[in-house]
Amino acid sequence: EIVLTQSPGTLSLSPGERATLSCRASQSVSSSYLAWYQQKPGQAPRLLIYGASSRATGIPDRFSGSGSGTDFTLTISRLEPEDFAVYYCQQYGSSPGFTFGPGTKVDIK
Amino acid sequence: QVQLVESGGGVVQPGGSLRLSCAASGFTFSSYGMHWVRQAPGKGLEWVAFIRYDGSNKYYADSVKGRFTISRDNSKNTLYLQMNSLRAEDTAVYYCAKGGLMDVEEAFDIWGQGTMVTVSS
Repeated sequence: EIVLTQSPGTLSLSPGERATLSCRASQSVSSSYLAWYQQKPGQAPRLLIYGASSRATGIPDRFSGSGSGTDFTLTISRLEPEDFAVYYCQQYGSSPGFTFGPGTKVDIK
Repeated sequence: QVQLVESGGGVVQPGGSLRLSCAASGFTFSSYGMHWVRQAPGKGLEWVAFIRYDGSNKYYADSVKGRFTISRDNSKNTLYLQMNSLRAEDTAVYYCAKGGLMDVEEAFDIWGQGTMVTVSS
C-alpha cells in the first residue's frame, strides 16, 4: 500500500501570498495518478487537480500541480480569502488502494 | 446537474448494523466506478470501498474488510454500503464519490454531501 505524507501540517499565510504544499509517496505513483482536494469546514471535498497537474473543471488558474514519481506539489500562486482550507493529496493509480494523505491546513496568518 | 445524495446515517449501538444509500443523478451511473470515503470527527479522509461500474469487482480498506459490503443497483442509480459489526471507530461522515469511467482510473470528481454515522451506546 502506498503511504502519502504531506507537509507542512499547517501553513500560516496572508491573503495574496504564495502557498506551496508538498505530498510525498512511499513508492512511485503510477502514471502520475495523483490528485489534490480542497475541503472547507462542513463541506465535502472538492477535486482541484488530477493527473498531478491537470486542473479540474472550474478550478481557477492560481491553483497548479506538479511533480512525478514520489514527490508532488500543489501551488496556490496568490491566496484568496476563500482558499483558506484543508488540502489533501490522494493516489488513485494502484487499485485497490486509493489512499489519502493526512492533509495540510492553510490558515490565515 | 450531476449529483450524489447520501442517506441512511444515524446513531447505532456497537455491534449493530446500518445501510447507507447514495442516489446518483445527472450522469450515466452504470458506466462509472463508485467509492465510499469516510471522515471521523476532526480527522482526515479515509477511503473505505470501491465497486466496479458493473458490480463485478469490489475492494475494501483493511479497516472494514469482512464487516462492510458495497453494492449497487444500476437500475435505480443507487450505491449502497451495508455496515455490520459496527465499532466506535466507525463513527464518521460517510461520503459517496464518483470514480472513473468503466475501468479507467480517475480522481473522485463528484462527491455527495455526506451522511453522519455515530456508533455509541
